[in-house]
Amino acid sequence: DVKVTQSSRYLVKRTGEKVFLECVQDMDHENMFWYRQDPGLGLRLIYFSYDVKMKEKGDIPEGYSVSREKKERFSLILESASTNQTSMYLCASRMGQVAGELFFGEGSRLTVL
Amino acid sequence: SQKIEQNSEALNIQEGKTATLTCNYTNYSPAYLQWYRQDPGRGPVFLLLIRENEKEKRKERLKVTFDTTLKQSLFHITASQPADSATYLCALGRTGNQFYFGTGTSLTVIP
Repeated sequence: DVKVTQSSRYLVKRTGEKVFLECVQDMDHENMFWYRQDPGLGLRLIYFSYDVKMKEKGDIPEGYSVSREKKERFSLILESASTNQTSMYLCASRMGQVAGELFFGEGSRLTVL
Repeated sequence: SQKIEQNSEALNIQEGKTATLTCNYTNYSPAYLQWYRQDPGRGPVFLLLIRENEKEKRKERLKVTFDTTLKQSLFHITASQPADSATYLCALGRTGNQFYFGTGTSLTVIP
């Protein structure tokens, strides 16, 4: 069974802390994504990666960075967490073909105090 | 910028009826459209894909239509069951890796 695993389901951090969200997929997918999901705003793309060490900004990259050192792993980094980054973060992966479906992880709910 | 609207945030229907969810979009010309199901506290799960040159797709009790003139997709669940209760998301894409998601419609099927 295909799987996208996010390292933490729930995190509570303080303003200014550095936050790492890890995502691992076991499907050998080229493409990996980080979204955040907020009520009334839907899913918004933060960053995506189409290959190891490659990354592209999505719609809301400000305040975030990413790292993809291995094909199966895509990390989202909040250098200095702020309260407006309190959200549900969803990682997804998909194969390289156009229109391919996204496989999502279970999500990481981050609260920044 | 592109805008995607899904009909009313919440939809309640009686068990056994057909649920119809709407996805409207503006300022965008998608090559394909996908529908996902999301249960509370979980990640979305892919249901169906329909391409711009297709009018209709079916999968078991699910049916999706895509009208590029009206800029609209309809998602139908026939013979609905309480287990169909969830939030349903539409997502639009072209070439490349950009998907645009709607905010979702929360469906409740009442026994």
